[in-house]
Amino acid sequence: SAVISQKPSRDICQRGTSLTIQCQVDSQVTMMFWYRQQPGQSLTLIATANQGSEATYESGFVIDKFPISRPNLTFSTLTVSNMSPEDSSIYLCSVAAGGGTDTQYFGPGTRLTVL
Amino acid sequence: QKEVEQDPGPLSVPEGAIVSLNCTYSNSAFQYFMWYRQYSRKGPELLMYTYSSGNKEDGRFTAQVDKSSKYISLFIRDSQPSDSATYLCALKEGGGGNKLTFGTGTQLKVEL
Repeated sequence: SAVISQKPSRDICQRGTSLTIQCQVDSQVTMMFWYRQQPGQSLTLIATANQGSEATYESGFVIDKFPISRPNLTFSTLTVSNMSPEDSSIYLCSVAAGGGTDTQYFGPGTRLTVL
Repeated sequence: QKEVEQDPGPLSVPEGAIVSLNCTYSNSAFQYFMWYRQYSRKGPELLMYTYSSGNKEDGRFTAQVDKSSKYISLFIRDSQPSDSATYLCALKEGGGGNKLTFGTGTQLKVEL
């Protein structure tokens, strides 16, 4: 399975600021995903990031709020823009497992608190 | 109604017990069924992956899918304190998409 790291592991931010979360994979992958995990709620897909193309956002998520970069096959960033306390959550990146399965492997997550 | 329903628990069992964790779903297009384990302050770790109906066993873990009832289960035999975690079911539609739909997770505590 792929080894995925995320930076930062946690952060406390002020309302109105932005935070960029990095996701690094130890092997080349076509598809990377960004999820949000709010307290007491299920993991929710924010967007799918393919290298060389614009990210595809799920309903309820927009590029202006969550811009994503995917500069190569091992790296992606998610920015949470103009943050409010409602953005306090765990943000996770994942990669498609490949190999004929339809599963995903997840990074350790970034725990964000917005004051 | 949520697409995937999962009892959040917490579920507390003694060491050695058989644990049954369940999810129900409403979308008949789901074809792929997964269970993830998530320890506190960690990312989800894939435990089991099943395509369509039936059973799959891996060590102490058995995944069961009943598509006619839209019901999936994860059984843990001889539970250990190290099994204490949150268990998430994840479902995916057939047809080539990549979106996983998760349950809210069941918090399990195995006590000595």
